[in-house]
Amino acid sequence: KAGVTQTPRYLIKTRGQQVTLSCSPISGHRSVSWYQQTPGQGLQFLFEYFSETQRNKGNFPGRFSGRQFSNSRSEMNVSTLELGDSALYLCASRRAGGANVLTFGAGSRLTVL
Amino acid sequence: SQQGEEDPQALSIQEGENATMNCSYKTSINNLQWYRQNSGRGLVHLILIRSNEREKHSGRLRVTLDTSKKSSSLLITASRAADTASYFCATVGTSVGGTSYGKLTFGQGTILTVHP
Repeated sequence: KAGVTQTPRYLIKTRGQQVTLSCSPISGHRSVSWYQQTPGQGLQFLFEYFSETQRNKGNFPGRFSGRQFSNSRSEMNVSTLELGDSALYLCASRRAGGANVLTFGAGSRLTVL
Repeated sequence: SQQGEEDPQALSIQEGENATMNCSYKTSINNLQWYRQNSGRGLVHLILIRSNEREKHSGRLRVTLDTSKKSSSLLITASRAADTASYFCATVGTSVGGTSYGKLTFGQGTILTVHP
């Protein structure tokens, strides 16, 4: 079956702009979580959605938001971009009732100039 | 902030040698997982060990867990050049009412280079 699909794979934005990243989970997986990966901070949890509801949120400012649709696809949005938002954004899905084993997408590489 | 530390930060070995990576964490856990990441790509789940287990094997992988020391190790035996990647431990914490769903707390990772 198809894996976790993230789009776009690469994008370049300038400070102050906003960006929307998309994630399609594995078919049948209803949980989608997002992580930010940077060289300095490593992998950090952003948020998790399950059945269109945010269940958990990491320690990120309100500029970072997300949502999940009825087909389990998820989007995350970052507004008023800052240079420090340059990162690899990873989406992961898991099946309900699983042991928190995540299947990751290839990531969206965001560069903020 | 990261849950724990991994060491070494980088490990360089020859094909056929064993590679051992260590991970320490800070809080009580439900389980601990190891993931692999090839350069700039997504993470791939390797193995999971539950808090009541001490050792687990999967192919060339061996994971140990010492909850009293809050530490784990990943051993890759007979390394291959294709094992070159970053390896991360990730913990799932315990929380009131159950596990922390999809929230994994990752270590900083070990960069493994296996020379042919």
